[in-house]
Amino acid sequence: DTGVSQNPRHKITKRGQNVTFRCDPISEHNRLYWYRQTLGQGPEFLTYFQNEAQLEKSRLLSDRFSAERPKGSFSTLEIQRTEQGDSAMYLCASSSRNQPQHFGDGTRLSIL
Amino acid sequence: GENVEQHPSTLSVQEGDSAVIKCTYSDSASNYFPWYKQELGKGPQLIIDIRSNVGEKKDQRIAVTLNKTAKHFSLHITETQPEDSAVYFCAASRKASGGSYIPTFGRGTSLIVHP
Repeated sequence: DTGVSQNPRHKITKRGQNVTFRCDPISEHNRLYWYRQTLGQGPEFLTYFQNEAQLEKSRLLSDRFSAERPKGSFSTLEIQRTEQGDSAMYLCASSSRNQPQHFGDGTRLSIL
Repeated sequence: GENVEQHPSTLSVQEGDSAVIKCTYSDSASNYFPWYKQELGKGPQLIIDIRSNVGEKKDQRIAVTLNKTAKHFSLHITETQPEDSAVYFCAASRKASGGSYIPTFGRGTSLIVHP
């Protein structure tokens, strides 16, 4: 069990740029989740995949956000035209049926 | 939607003391309640969970209780150690499409254990 892997660990970008994060789940997990966490808050749910199907999206996931999991393995989260308010830790988690979610260590995004 | 309140926001104890963190939730449909520990620079790590058909669960120094009627649940840590120092999050989870659970997290409790 190598755990959930997220890359990059840190991303600094200028406002208006596009950014993409990658998540590699635990290999036998078919469910993958994205969350956003800001300072002093708990993680907030963004979206969830079962295999390659995106089954739920939060209202927090604006039009500038898109997530994919094309082959049901790794996933990417893209943010277009970044804004100051997008600065946060982006967490990925994975799980299998009837098992709890395991989190990665996140990608910290800073918008200049 | 679900709303989870968590108290206290900060808890400072002496090594060996007990620590109690309390959470309330609003959605009676929530039926799975995990607790996570998050250390600085790391992602949340599950420490214990409880389902709505169970009132109490214990794992060594950690126990969780659930009162479905009152919609509140608590984490109890006994014989605290300095390495227990971290931020603890409670969550109330609803069933999602496809059979998974989507948690709503509290705002966290920063536990400090003084040696």
